[in-house]
This record gives sequence, structure tokens and C-alpha cells, in this order.
Amino acid sequence: GAGVSQSPSNKVTEKGKDVELRCDPISGHTALYWYRQSLGQGLEFLIYFQGNSAPDKSGLPSDRFSAERTGGSVSTLTIQRTQQEDSAVYLCASSLTGNSNQPQHFGDGTRLSIL
Amino acid sequence: AQSVTQPDIHITVSEGASLELRCNYSYGATPYLFWYVQSPGQGLQLLLKYFSGDTLVQGIKGFEAEFKRSQSSFNLRKPSVHWSDAAEYFCAVGAGGAAGNKLTFGGGTRVLVKP
Repeated sequence: GAGVSQSPSNKVTEKGKDVELRCDPISGHTALYWYRQSLGQGLEFLIYFQGNSAPDKSGLPSDRFSAERTGGSVSTLTIQRTQQEDSAVYLCASSLTGNSNQPQHFGDGTRLSIL
Repeated sequence: AQSVTQPDIHITVSEGASLELRCNYSYGATPYLFWYVQSPGQGLQLLLKYFSGDTLVQGIKGFEAEFKRSQSSFNLRKPSVHWSDAAEYFCAVGAGGAAGNKLTFGGGTRVLVKP
């Protein structure tokens, strides 16, 4: 498809386990963003990748969260030693460039539930 | 730091009636403003955006929004609501510049449409 693809769509795991969430951006988009949507905090920025530049990690809530983007395309968000407060929908977005006049296109998200 | 406030958590409107969703922002420079819509289980879809120029912007699905700098507002309107407009609506401001366009979202307004 032509849109942003995220997998899995749902993930249920036990507290303390590690999880990996995947985002496949729109082909040719150089900018990639991760956001988290939770009941208590709303929609929050997590991390931003632009081309080969160092990512902006300013939104990551703790050092248990990390993300990488291989080959300037697919990105993986990893949460180590998951906690119940990590339960949320994780949304990925991409845009043609990181310029402000470029709209972000969102995937349908991964719903993460920590038991 | 920028912030976005959507004062109305829920709005119920009759099909065919007009709709206005309020958004107030706080940002030190010229804002980049967006409205997104989210249907259940799906990601965010961009309705419209404002960067500069004409303060009344037209979007998809018959929506429009007006930027009022003096009131720090960017309210979304639709003259006649359809049942398919039932969804959650998010206003967002973009950081712009070297920070990329990471978005700060309001808390959202859930719209219910009565037949």
C-alpha cells in the first residue's frame, strides 16, 4: 500500500518483557516520527528521524525506550522491561521532509497492552 | 514551549447542523497549525493546515478553519455535519525550523452526531 504501515496492530505482553514495534514509512519520505497516545497523557511526541541526522530523542519518557531507523526507511521502537504505564497506542508518521510545510501521514498505530 | 488547548472534550451535534471546534494555542513565533481527525482504531488523517497567508483555510470533507492571531485561536468549522463526521478531532501546532515538525497536540474533542 501507499500509506504508513505499522506492525503489529495489537500487542499484549507481560510486565517486564521487551517489545518491538515496527514502522514502514511512505516510500521516499525522509522524516519519520513516533508518537504515543494514552488515556492519561493524550498524544505525545517521542522521537524524530530526519535523513542521516542524529535523531531527536527529546520526547522519550525513559531510558527503557529506544528507536532506530535502518537504511533511512523502516524504524523500530523498542521498549525494554515494559511497565503497565507503557500501555498505549504507538503511532508512527512520516513526511516527505522535516520541513514544517510538509504534512505528516500517520499509520493506524500499534495498540500495546501490558498485563 | 508550545501548547494547545481544546476546551471541549465532547460535543454532540445533530446531523445537518453546523459544527465548531475550538482550539487555542501558545507559541512564541508564527505557528504552524493543523487539524487532524481520528476514527476509532485508525490513525490520524490531516484535515487542513495553516502556515501563512489567508487566515481562512479550506480542508477536506467540507471543513474549514480560521486563524486568529489576536485570539491565539484556530477554530474548525463545518456548515452541515454528516453522520460520518463522528470521530475525534485534534488540533496541533508544529515546532518548525531545525527541530523538524514534531507536533504538539491538544487533548482532542470527541464529536457525536445524532440522527
